[in-house]
Amino acid sequence: DAGITQSPRHKVTETGTPVTLRCHQTENHRYMYWYRQDPGHGLRLIHYSYGVKDTDKGEVSDGYSVSRSKTEDFLLTLESATSSQTSVYFCAISGSSGALRETQYFGPGTRLLVL
Amino acid sequence: SQQGEEDPQALSIQEGENATMNCSYKTSINNLQWYRQNSGRGLVHLILIRSNEREKHSGRLRVTLDTSKKSSSLLITASRAADTASYFCATDADSEGTYKYIFGTGTRLKVLA
Repeated sequence: DAGITQSPRHKVTETGTPVTLRCHQTENHRYMYWYRQDPGHGLRLIHYSYGVKDTDKGEVSDGYSVSRSKTEDFLLTLESATSSQTSVYFCAISGSSGALRETQYFGPGTRLLVL
Repeated sequence: SQQGEEDPQALSIQEGENATMNCSYKTSINNLQWYRQNSGRGLVHLILIRSNEREKHSGRLRVTLDTSKKSSSLLITASRAADTASYFCATDADSEGTYKYIFGTGTRLKVLA
């Protein structure tokens, strides 16, 4: 978890409420990723970023948006939370080249419960 | 469907025994990685094996890759209670260099003291 923090770590919200999760890194890595982890599905990529203001969709992007205005911060927003978005959300980072590019370093996760 | 599928889904062994878990994938890859996740924590990178490699070692870990069968195995030798965790394989299914990795559903390993 070195160099990556996620906030909040736990959140309970109601259906229809917008929610923003924050990932902050101190490694100055170029690439950042948001995953969700659910039983029976492993980790699924929601969105990723390959630079400031450069983002792209992953496997399960519907209902989520992201923003990256600074190298160190990658925000994940649930525009109108639904119960199906109850999950554990992980942020990951990777560097620009070589082994750092291929290896992902994960944050501690955010547990989100949508009632 | 998942690019990577681990087998078995759960494994329980005695301390000192070896643990083997397998990963199968569907498309061609540049590399395959294994990660460990302790309960309630984020994933930690264990080892990477490239498509032109057949075997790789790191401490008590041994990874093999068979690209003809699109499968990999992770062997943990002389297991310890501290090895209790979930293990995931991840493949870089995207050949366009965007480095999007697809993770399998994981194998839950329990090592009994």
